[in-house]
Amino acid sequence: DAKTTQPPSMDCAEGRAANLPCNHSTISGNEYVYWYRQIHSQGPQYIIHGLKNNETNEMASLIITEDRKSSTLILPHATLRDTAVYYCIVRVGNQFYFGTGTSLTVIP
Amino acid sequence: DGGITQSPKYLFRKEGQNVTLSCEQNLNHDAMYWYRQDPGQGLRLIYYSQIVNDFQKGDIAEGYSVSREKKESFPLTVTSAQKNPTAFYLCASSGTGTPGTGELFFGEGSRLTVL
Repeated sequence: DAKTTQPPSMDCAEGRAANLPCNHSTISGNEYVYWYRQIHSQGPQYIIHGLKNNETNEMASLIITEDRKSSTLILPHATLRDTAVYYCIVRVGNQFYFGTGTSLTVIP
Repeated sequence: DGGITQSPKYLFRKEGQNVTLSCEQNLNHDAMYWYRQDPGQGLRLIYYSQIVNDFQKGDIAEGYSVSREKKESFPLTVTSAQKNPTAFYLCASSGTGTPGTGELFFGEGSRLTVL
């Protein structure tokens, strides 16, 4: 069973904010949401994670809805180097469940 | 520098041959994982280990085997029983402390091609 659902692809203009949605409607109260990104043929790179509250770091912001059934990853000022596949993941204990990801293309 | 090292980066094998992919980490992580990725798809869990000398099957364990004799090492053997082994294989590790703390760290992957 897929624990997360993401749109397969999105485009974003360079310099604009990229908002990547994720649905995780079956998430349990103690399961965290993680976001990773993968540039072609490399290992995925950690971006951010959260449980209930919104989170921000130097790479991105994570907005989690109050019911925790969905979240949005925000890249505030997308650059061409942000072109990658972005994975929304639910962590259950020490298992990480990957969805099929969103392929983000940043357009000059 | 701390990290995860996978080898070889590229590997070719003939049908019917077993092949072992190496994964070593110096992050002092308890948990280690093997994922398989096919073109245009997400990551699927093959095996994971939360502690030395213990491991559990993931969603697609058939045709694969692992061992965890040392904390730092988690090799994956792709056996001849795996019907479609051509794929990109990713090894990862994480801490196993307080739930939600400690992200998953990945190696750079091994690309296996069966000729």
